[in-house]
Amino acid sequence: NAGVTQTPKFQVLKTGQSMTLQCAQDMNHNSMYWYRQDPGMGLRLIYYSASEGTTDKGEVPNGYNVSRLNKREFSLRLESAAPSQTSVYFCASRGQKNYGYTFGSGTRLTVV
Amino acid sequence: RKEVEQDPGPFNVPEGATVAFNCTYSNSASQSFFWYRQDCRKEPKLLMSVYSSGNEDGRFTAQLNRASQYISLLIRDSKLSDSATYLCVVKLGGGFKTIFGAGTRLFVKA
Repeated sequence: NAGVTQTPKFQVLKTGQSMTLQCAQDMNHNSMYWYRQDPGMGLRLIYYSASEGTTDKGEVPNGYNVSRLNKREFSLRLESAAPSQTSVYFCASRGQKNYGYTFGSGTRLTVV
Repeated sequence: RKEVEQDPGPFNVPEGATVAFNCTYSNSASQSFFWYRQDCRKEPKLLMSVYSSGNEDGRFTAQLNRASQYISLLIRDSKLSDSATYLCVVKLGGGFKTIFGAGTRLFVKA
C-alpha cells in the first residue's frame, strides 16, 4: 500500500510564483488535511476536507487554496508565494474521526 | 499559553534507560489523545493512542490524567532506534480540530 503520496518532495520558488502541491491517498479515507510544520512549532492545519466535495479553513489558511478533486486527491495551491510560506508541508488522511492520521512524506518548500 | 505543551528537550539517555515524557493540554473538551513519532526529516507516524485506563505497547506505556489534563509516554529499555521527536497530539471532541505539540526530542546513546 502506498498510503499517502505527496509531490513534489522539494521545491524552490521565487516570491510571487505559484505552485500546486499534490496529494493522493489509496486507503479510501474520507477526510484529508494539509499541515505545515515550522521549527519549534507544532504542525498547524492549513485546510481540511471532511469528505469529498467539502473543504474548510484550518488555523492558517491565508495565502492558500485547496481542491478536493475526488475522494483520493486533495491539492494545495499557493497563488503568490511569500517567504513566510517557507516550510515543510504535510498532507494527511484519516479514516475515522478518533483515529490517527496517516501522513505523506512531506514537501520541503523554500520561497526566496 | 499553548494549547498543547511539551518539554522540547533534548533528552539524552543511554541505551537501556527508562525515559518519560509529559504533555499538558489546556482544553478540557479534548477527547482523543495520541503520541506520534517523527524521525529527522520524515513524516510523523502514529506511535499509539492514549486511553483513559492507560495502555501499553511493548516497551511503550501511555497514560492519561484527565483531571490534571496531561498525558505521558514512558519508554523502557531504550534502543538507539528510539531516537526521534515525540509529538503529543490532542483532538477536541466532535469536530476535526486536532492540536499538535511541538515535540520532545530524544537521543539514545550507545
